[in-house]
Amino acid sequence: DTGVSQDPRHKITKRGQNVTFRCDPISEHNRLYWYRQTLGQGPEFLTYFQNEAQLEKSRLLSDRFSAERPKGSFSTLEIQRTEQGDSAMYLCASSTERVAGAFFGQGTRLTVV
Amino acid sequence: AQSVSQHNHHVILSEAASLELGCNYSYGGTVNLFWYVQYPGQHLQLLLKYFSGDPLVKGIKGFEAEFIKSKFSFNLRKPSVQWSDTAEYFCAVNGGTSGTYKYIFGTGTRLKVLA
Repeated sequence: DTGVSQDPRHKITKRGQNVTFRCDPISEHNRLYWYRQTLGQGPEFLTYFQNEAQLEKSRLLSDRFSAERPKGSFSTLEIQRTEQGDSAMYLCASSTERVAGAFFGQGTRLTVV
Repeated sequence: AQSVSQHNHHVILSEAASLELGCNYSYGGTVNLFWYVQYPGQHLQLLLKYFSGDPLVKGIKGFEAEFIKSKFSFNLRKPSVQWSDTAEYFCAVNGGTSGTYKYIFGTGTRLKVLA
């Protein structure tokens, strides 16, 4: 499968713990996006990379969230000191040109208990 | 602020009925418009896109959408729905005066087609 791959698919963690998610984009895609989706809502933009550079970050994103794409290939999203409100589906997407559309992975479902 | 509105949150249709889902955006400048579909248990998939040219675009599975610049709209249509079209549909936009690459999504429309 040459689509966007996310790992893990599910994560249950206790409040206050740190979690890290990984995303492997489609290999020739230089742009990578992270989104968060909760029930009944559309995907909410978190951050976006062009190659290894993080070009845009949502103002709604807490300082507890950090993302990296060190070699311009895979990316990680870390949430520190998780809170119950962080429970959501975290989606990764990748794309080439702006007009091409983004291709999404299956997502990582985070549950904070 | 840039936003995308989908006014129909839930739609229930019988098979063979016609479908139209509304999407309006508030963006200045030139925009690129997309419809995504999410079937139960599956990831978001691109249904169709518009960035220039003919404002009536055709996508997969018989879907089409019309870009009406004066109305800031990009409504999704299908002449005759099937049970397999049961899914959630999201409108998305990027570009605009800032030329942003990020995709802004609407809240989605959940479509249920009755057999």
